Amino acid sequence: AQSVTQPDIHITVSEGASLELRCNYSYGATPYLFWYVQSPGQGLQLLLKYFSGDTLVQGIKGFEAEFKRSQSSFNLRKPSVHWSDAAEYFCAVGPNRAPRGNLIFGKGTKLSVKP
Amino acid sequence: SAVISQKPSRDICQRGTSLTIQCQVDSQVTMMFWYRQQPGQSLTLIATANQGSEATYESGFVIDKFPISRPNLTFSTLTVSNMSPEDSSIYLCSTGSGSYNEQFFGPGTRLTVL
Repeated sequence: AQSVTQPDIHITVSEGASLELRCNYSYGATPYLFWYVQSPGQGLQLLLKYFSGDTLVQGIKGFEAEFKRSQSSFNLRKPSVHWSDAAEYFCAVGPNRAPRGNLIFGKGTKLSVKP
Repeated sequence: SAVISQKPSRDICQRGTSLTIQCQVDSQVTMMFWYRQQPGQSLTLIATANQGSEATYESGFVIDKFPISRPNLTFSTLTVSNMSPEDSSIYLCSTGSGSYNEQFFGPGTRLTVL
């Protein structure tokens, strides 16, 4: 069955500290992978995506993610967290061939940032 | 990237009534999706709406409860019918308009049913 697991429900980090949010997926074929961020009361914003090629992808707001096929993981990282990064983060997988279809989302990781 | 707007942004409704949510995209797109995000939960796909055909519903969602219209390539509506408090959620529309199936989401409609 296709699924996305985000094992950490809630993470708290100090401002300026590094961050890693975990994501593991189960998918029948090579997937497209995404990270989205949802600030309180807002919709979802795409942070970054992976399709092929370099397994380390850069996104907006200083985020990066690394695709590890052997571990079925796509962890999100940021070297120095800012208070404005406090939000909920969702990992998602989708099909890599037509017809384009819906995304499967993880349950999300809520990030709190301590001053 | 596609820019998506939704109306209303939020609403408080009485049990037994219906609410229609509108989704407008700033470009023509083939596929539009409707998701539900229950409080504290992730996103669950309700249905896929293609222009010119019936919407395709996911398991657990039925047309009588969530009728969808897709009159053209830039617009869709989702109706939440005969509402109950369990329907209190954020409803989001999205498009699969990216070259690699990335989806862009509207801001969501926050629905509270009393």
